[in-house]
Amino acid sequence: GAGVSQSPRYKVAKRGQDVALRCDPISGHVSLFWYQQALGQGPEFLTYFQNEAQLDKSGLPSDRFFAERPEGSVSTLKIQRTQQEDSAVYLCASSLAGRPYEQYFGPGTRLTVT
Amino acid sequence: RKEVEQDPGPFNVPEGATVAFNCTYSNSASQSFFWYRQDCRKEPKLLMSVYSSGNEDGRFTAQLNRASQYISLLIRDSKLSDSATYLCVVNPNTGNQFYFGTGTSLTVIP
Repeated sequence: GAGVSQSPRYKVAKRGQDVALRCDPISGHVSLFWYQQALGQGPEFLTYFQNEAQLDKSGLPSDRFFAERPEGSVSTLKIQRTQQEDSAVYLCASSLAGRPYEQYFGPGTRLTVT
Repeated sequence: RKEVEQDPGPFNVPEGATVAFNCTYSNSASQSFFWYRQDCRKEPKLLMSVYSSGNEDGRFTAQLNRASQYISLLIRDSKLSDSATYLCVVNPNTGNQFYFGTGTSLTVIP
C-alpha cells in the first residue's frame, strides 16, 4: 500500500519567505507527527496530531512555525519568514491509534534557506 | 542535558563481526524505548521495540538497564546491509513526544 508521502521533496527559499510543506499520511492512521532533522542529528519532535486535533505543539521552535490538519488527514507545516537556521529536513510520520511508537516516516522535505 | 545520548561513532566493523551500541536517557520515569534504523538520505524505520526483559529478533538483541538508564542494541554476524545509522528513541510517557538520539553510524566492511 501507499506509504507516507511528502511534498515538495526539496525546497529552496530566500530568507524571509514563507513556505508550506505537505504531508499525506497512510490512510487510516490517526496519529501524525512532524519532526525537524538537522544534518548529523536525530529527528527533533515538533508537533503531534490525533485526527484533526493538535494535541502537542511544544516542539515548535517559534511562533513562525504553524501546523494544521483540518480534516484529520493531510497536514501542512507552514514556516513564516524563514531564517537560515530553519534549513533542515522536515519529516512527517503517521501511526495507528494505540501504536504511536510504530511510526511510518515519509521521505521528508529538505528545506534550504539562502 | 539531552533527553537521549548516543555515541555517534562511526563504527566500522568487518562482515561477520558482533557490534553493540549503547544509548543513555535522562528521564528515569521513561517507559518506552525503541531502536530505529535510518539509511543514508532516507527516512527512519522502526527496527525493534525494547522490552524490560530484553528481546531478540534474529541477529538483533535489544536490552534495557533501568538502573543505569541505558538501552543497548547488539548485532551479531554483521552483514553489509546492516550499514546504516541506528537511532535510539525514548518516550517519557508524558505525552506523545518521542525523543530521538543523534544516531550511531555503522559501516560493515567486506
